[in-house]
Amino acid sequence: GEDVEQSLFLSVREGDSSVINCTYTDSSSTYLYWYKQEPGAGLQLLTYIFSNMDMKQDQRLTVLLNKKDKHLSLRIADTQTGDSAIYFCAVRKSGGSYIPTFGRGTSLIVHP
Amino acid sequence: KAGVTQTPRYLIKTRGQQVTLSCSPISGHRSVSWYQQTPGQGLQFLFEYFSETQRNKGNFPGRFSGRQFSNSRSEMNVSTLELGDSALYLCASSLDPSSGNYEQYFGPGTRLTVT
Repeated sequence: GEDVEQSLFLSVREGDSSVINCTYTDSSSTYLYWYKQEPGAGLQLLTYIFSNMDMKQDQRLTVLLNKKDKHLSLRIADTQTGDSAIYFCAVRKSGGSYIPTFGRGTSLIVHP
Repeated sequence: KAGVTQTPRYLIKTRGQQVTLSCSPISGHRSVSWYQQTPGQGLQFLFEYFSETQRNKGNFPGRFSGRQFSNSRSEMNVSTLELGDSALYLCASSLDPSSGNYEQYFGPGTRLTVT
């Protein structure tokens, strides 16, 4: 089945850009999502991209998709302490089972 | 519009007991999915209900079951609790998975501790 990999931790300084990476194995993945989970809370959908797109920008967030390498990244510009959280990448296909597969999450730590 | 609500938020149970968790989806959403989140296994899919029917099921033992009511509210039940069932149980709702994009909205979760 689908496998989604993320690095476990990322530490950045406030004001810098953060780049969280994700790789997946199934080239037929059509919808790719980024979720944010703050302590004690559920997952919040941040943004998503379709496989026919290379990039999507939404305010401070930029999603880049390299379909050939099956690599997805989330860039957060001007990272703030409030961005400290766990970020999950999730992918799913357009047909068949539409249940997304989640990565293990990347814990982003923003220090002053 | 109110978000996804889950009750209770915290629960402590003893091994061998059974537990029922509740989820109310966003108004108008007909699909409800359940996930188990643990530090060791990450986020694992339990099952998904749509219009009172279980449409998808993850790889969990039969001790884990669920149902959905006509108002789309959903419950999940875990019988004969084991220590390993200690986890954050998340519910997510969506309009209609077959409509294409499948944006799921998550509730805050129920933290279950089994002692």
